Amino acid sequence: TQLLEQSPQFLSIQEGENLTVYCNSSSVFSSLQWYRQEPGEGPVLLVTVVTGGEVKKLKRLTFQFGDARKDSSLHITAAQPGDTGLYLCAGVGASRNTPLVFGKGTRLSVIA
Amino acid sequence: DAGITQSPRHKVTETGTPVTLRCHQTENHRYMYWYRQDPGHGLRLIHYSYGVKDTDKGEVSDGYSVSRSKTEDFLLTLESATSSQTSVYFCAIRALNTEAFFGQGTRLTVV
Repeated sequence: TQLLEQSPQFLSIQEGENLTVYCNSSSVFSSLQWYRQEPGEGPVLLVTVVTGGEVKKLKRLTFQFGDARKDSSLHITAAQPGDTGLYLCAGVGASRNTPLVFGKGTRLSVIA
Repeated sequence: DAGITQSPRHKVTETGTPVTLRCHQTENHRYMYWYRQDPGHGLRLIHYSYGVKDTDKGEVSDGYSVSRSKTEDFLLTLESATSSQTSVYFCAIRALNTEAFFGQGTRLTVV
């Protein structure tokens, strides 16, 4: 089983602050995905990173895939209350039929 | 919205009764997954399917079975529900090398 460890588990910050969420594994993934989930809804994809060292930006969110394709980070600049939610990373295994495995998530609360 | 529907959305059942949750897709995606989500545990994989009649166990498969007789339907059955199976259940669909699309979830309470 490929395990993904996310940290921190909970994060409560003031509006305007910056934050980084981490997703780590001892396994290599062909790609890694980040999802955001709001209460009462299913997770929704934010980004997929594929290449080791890849950096992708989505407005104030910056995603990075580690060089060895074992870890990833999500950095949010100037957090807004609308960023509040559960952030989940998911690893895509190298084998064709390997299922999508998720980390436990980081629950972010941005206070106005 | 991706064409994925879970039913029922909410269910309360008694301990020891069988329960079946249904996931229906209109996207013709190959992969389908059942996850459960509990506080502090994130999304844990119960069973998954990589084609019609092709299924495999996830990390928390004990007490659950699945069937996929058609591409569009993936059924999750709790043979004899227990209180530890009280949870929110999510179905997801995915094509090869793409994102997963999730259903709205089923909130199951076993009393």
